[in-house]
This record gives sequence, structure tokens and C-alpha cells, in this order.
Amino acid sequence: GAVVSQHPSWVICKSGTSVKIECRSLDFQATTMFWYRQFPKKSLMLMATSNEGSKATYEQGVEKDKFLINHASLTLSTLTVTSAHPEDSSFYICSLRGTGAYEQYFGPGTRLTVT
Amino acid sequence: GNSVTQMEGPVTLSEEAFLTINCTYTATGYPSLFWYVQYPGEGLQLLLKATKADDKGSNKGFEATYRKETTSFHLEKGSVQVSDSAVYFCALRVLETNAGKSTFGDGTTLTVKP
Repeated sequence: GAVVSQHPSWVICKSGTSVKIECRSLDFQATTMFWYRQFPKKSLMLMATSNEGSKATYEQGVEKDKFLINHASLTLSTLTVTSAHPEDSSFYICSLRGTGAYEQYFGPGTRLTVT
Repeated sequence: GNSVTQMEGPVTLSEEAFLTINCTYTATGYPSLFWYVQYPGEGLQLLLKATKADDKGSNKGFEATYRKETTSFHLEKGSVQVSDSAVYFCALRVLETNAGKSTFGDGTTLTVKP
């Protein structure tokens, strides 16, 4: 299967600053990537679907101006949390869709803590 | 809409015990069903899948059978190991609808003690 990396794996930032999280597909050209948010002991919540070269599609209730997604190439998608607040602290996971209809590969996640 | 309901955890077992984690679903359309495993501090890894009724997915000693009549996809393992300690997520995806997005259960935490 595809190998997905995320950088950084964890980050601590101050309230009001912005943080960029990168998601890279190391061996696969992904036209579609997904960004999820996971709260402690909870399931994954889909935030947005990102398609290479076009604007991301956000799920209901997700602020697109706060969570900026850029899918600039077939191997890179970025999520920028703007003006972060403590309630944005969470585990963010990216995922990409494979060539097969049932394939979905997940990154290792990024732990964001906003102080 | 689509939804997945998993057995609430946490589940604590002794090594070599039998494991069952229940999963039921509701879906619009014909779903494919998945079990994912998440180890501490890591992302999700696909454990097994089934794409049509009566299919059995299996991997690393884990099994789950797609039961359309009971809308279930229970995860089982005959003899668990300490290394199986993780969070397990049941998920579904309907390829024809909702852009093929996955719907996840809330996860079940499994702890296996030596």
C-alpha cells in the first residue's frame, strides 16, 4: 500500500499563532486526500476533502477560513490552522485515496497542542 | 444517512483470551465494511475488509464476516496477544454515494494483559 507521512508529528504553539501541517504521499500520486480530526478517545471526524489543483470541500461545521487546505501537488497536501486556540488542540490525521475503490491510506497523525 | 455503532470499551482481556468487538451499521446503499487498528500515537492501519454480503475478511488472526441480514461486522480473534492492545475502529464506505467517504465508529480500546 501507499506510504503516507505527516510533518510535524507533534507541535506546540501559542494561542493566536498559525500552524502548518504537511501530508506527503511518498510513493503514490494522490488526486484525493482527506483531513480528519480526532478528539481523545473519540472517532475520526472528517474535516475536508482535498483534490489536487482545486479548492477543498469542507464538511458542515468546519470553518474553511480557519482550517486552510492546499493540495498543491499529487504528493503534498497541507493543513494550516490559523489563529489557533486551545480548543483546536487535537490529533490531525490525513489520508489519501488509492487507485482501488476500497483503498484508503492514513498518515501517522500530528498532535497539535495550543497553549 | 450512514452510521456505525461499536461496542463501547474499554475491553480488557488476558493473553490468549477470545476477543469479540461488536459492530453494527446503517447505510444508504450497499456499503463496504472495514476494521482499522490504531496503535498509540499513530494513524489508522487497515486491518481487514469485506465488500459484499457473507464475505469474510481476515488478517493477523482477526476475522470479521459481513452479515447483511443483521447489518453487522463483528471483529473476532481466537487468542489475543499483548501486542494486540490498540484502538479498533469499524468503518463503512458506500462508493456510489457521498463521494465514497468513510464513516467511522467511535472506536473500542483493547488492552491485553500478560
